[in-house]
Amino acid sequence: QKEVEQNSGPLSVPEGAIASLNCTYSDRGSQSFFWYRQYSGKSPELIMFIYSNGDKEDGRFTAQLNKASQYVSLLIRDSQPSDSATYLCAVRADRGSTLGRLYFGRGTQLTVWP
Amino acid sequence: DVKVTQSSRYLVKRTGEKVFLECVQDMDHENMFWYRQDPGLGLRLIYFSYDVKMKEKGDIPEGYSVSREKKERFSLILESASTNQTSMYLCASSPPFANTEAFFGQGTRLTVV
Repeated sequence: QKEVEQNSGPLSVPEGAIASLNCTYSDRGSQSFFWYRQYSGKSPELIMFIYSNGDKEDGRFTAQLNKASQYVSLLIRDSQPSDSATYLCAVRADRGSTLGRLYFGRGTQLTVWP
Repeated sequence: DVKVTQSSRYLVKRTGEKVFLECVQDMDHENMFWYRQDPGLGLRLIYFSYDVKMKEKGDIPEGYSVSREKKERFSLILESASTNQTSMYLCASSPPFANTEAFFGQGTRLTVV
């Protein structure tokens, strides 16, 4: 069973701060990593994906991947109250009988207070 | 835009009823998935399918079955609904290629009374 672990929340930061969300995974062969945001009562929506070691930036979001440490993180700069949501880390199985399946962490609930 | 559409946003069913949850995607994706989501437990995979008439059990298939007669449609069936199947059900689809994400439907909130 492939495992994806996220830092336990909830996480609470003031508006304008940097929010840091962390995720570790057990399958060393994983190649594709995703961050989804889920507002209460809504379905998950993709906000970032990363496939290569290092950093990937998209606006206020930065995903960081370290395959040697089996670690992926999401940084949200200049956090806004509208960023308050649950963030789900997902790792895709890229080989074998489960090819294409996404394994999800349990999520980290983020609250950004004004 | 990719669209994954679930047939109902909210459903209330009685214990013992047979329940059908329908999911349709319009992007010709090979992969389709059914998850349930419960507080504190995250997203758990019930069943997935890589092709028409093909299905694979996920982590929690007990009490569920699925049907995929056409590529765009993936149905989840609760053979005899029970109160512990009250949950949010999420359908997703994805292409078969590496480095591609899954797209989710809007979810069905099922309550079994």
